[in-house]
Amino acid sequence: DIQLTQSPSSLSASVGDRVTITCRASQSMSINLNWYQQKPGKAPKLLIYAASSLQTGVPSRFSGSGSGADFTLTISSLQPEDFATYYCQQSYRSWLTFGGGTKVEIK
Amino acid sequence: QLQLQESGSGLVKPSQTLSLTCAVSGGSISTAGHSWSWIRQPPGEGLEWIGYVSHSGNPYYNPSLKTRVTISLDVSKNQFSLRLSSVTAADTALYYCARLVGSTPRFDYWGQGALVTVSS
Repeated sequence: DIQLTQSPSSLSASVGDRVTITCRASQSMSINLNWYQQKPGKAPKLLIYAASSLQTGVPSRFSGSGSGADFTLTISSLQPEDFATYYCQQSYRSWLTFGGGTKVEIK
Repeated sequence: QLQLQESGSGLVKPSQTLSLTCAVSGGSISTAGHSWSWIRQPPGEGLEWIGYVSHSGNPYYNPSLKTRVTISLDVSKNQFSLRLSSVTAADTALYYCARLVGSTPRFDYWGQGALVTVSS
């Protein structure tokens, strides 16, 4: 299986900050990497697919980049509704896997 | 707008079989290119993919659960189901159903989740 390592596992940030979360894969996987946001008590929500494509309806302050084994999710200006846990997920292999998550908390 | 809704047993005894159903509305589960998946999340932990079934009924399972999992389609009811046998406390989790789509497969629609507790 492909293992995904997210860093950091948690971070504290203020409204308006630029936030970057990384996801490193145990092997190269082209652009088969997706990002999700999960708020407490809610199902995950798809933000970014194919490494850098913005899902319909997702604010443009969210962006994704990377290919191969290293990927990044960036929130350009953190908003109050962005405090949540973020997960990456790979679809390069039919054994789908998720990263461990990054919790974004209010500073 | 596609909607998914999980239902099933919320409390299962150890060694028994967990059964959940995901009812799909606003779209057909037979649509080519769409697959239907189950994902779980133990309390306070991360996400684990359990498996999915293609629109034509072909299943793909997480190898770590493969011997215990069955995912199937019921086209007549526009729903799909999960069966997980020989459960233990480690199977206690929030179980989500979701649609898997695209050439770079991603989960674009999710149910609200169903909590299943394994306890005697």
